[in-house]
Amino acid sequence: GAVVSQHPSRVICKSGTSVKIECRSLDFQATTMFWYRQFPKQSLMLMATSNEGSKATYEQGVEKDKFLINHASLTLSTLTVTSAHPEDSSFYICSAPGQRPQETQYFGPGTRLLVL
Amino acid sequence: LAKTTQPISMDSYEGQEVNITCSHNNIATNDYITWYQQFPSQGPRFIIQGYKTKVTNEVASLFIPADRKSSTLSLPRVSLSDTAVYYCLVALNSGGYQKVTFGTGTKLQVIP
Repeated sequence: GAVVSQHPSRVICKSGTSVKIECRSLDFQATTMFWYRQFPKQSLMLMATSNEGSKATYEQGVEKDKFLINHASLTLSTLTVTSAHPEDSSFYICSAPGQRPQETQYFGPGTRLLVL
Repeated sequence: LAKTTQPISMDSYEGQEVNITCSHNNIATNDYITWYQQFPSQGPRFIIQGYKTKVTNEVASLFIPADRKSSTLSLPRVSLSDTAVYYCLVALNSGGYQKVTFGTGTKLQVIP
């Protein structure tokens, strides 16, 4: 099946710094990717839809200036957490749709962010 | 987006069959039902998908009644490694491009 990778798998940073998370579709092209955030013992929350060649679409309550999304190619979307604070510590997951009708979304392994 | 309701948690002994039911009363005509499994600190993994009646693959079965307002994921003979959170999702599946909303999921604990 299709594979989605994320890098890094975990990152620790100081408060106030920016962190970039990459999401790649390894063996297929993805014009659309989705970014989720998951706090401990909670469900996944959709943050934004990343669109190749155009601006991302953010869910209500998600700050677009804080969570910068760039979908520069058909296989790569990046999420940059700017001026990270401890409350941004979370598990970030991306997904990409399958290539054929009725094919599901494929999720990346996730990135654990810890802001000190 | 159709809202889903699942039990928050379930316990089962090893070797038993586990059935997890999901309610989706406002499912639309073109919506598909998809189940995912998630282990701690990992991304969700696809288990099974269906539209109506019964679907079976190598790991699970999915039962969907005629009115499609609910669905049941059946895991045969669970093992300890099946301890995970299981999510039921309902979405228009035009190549998976529609954004989906995750519900609470069901935390399955398999007991030795």
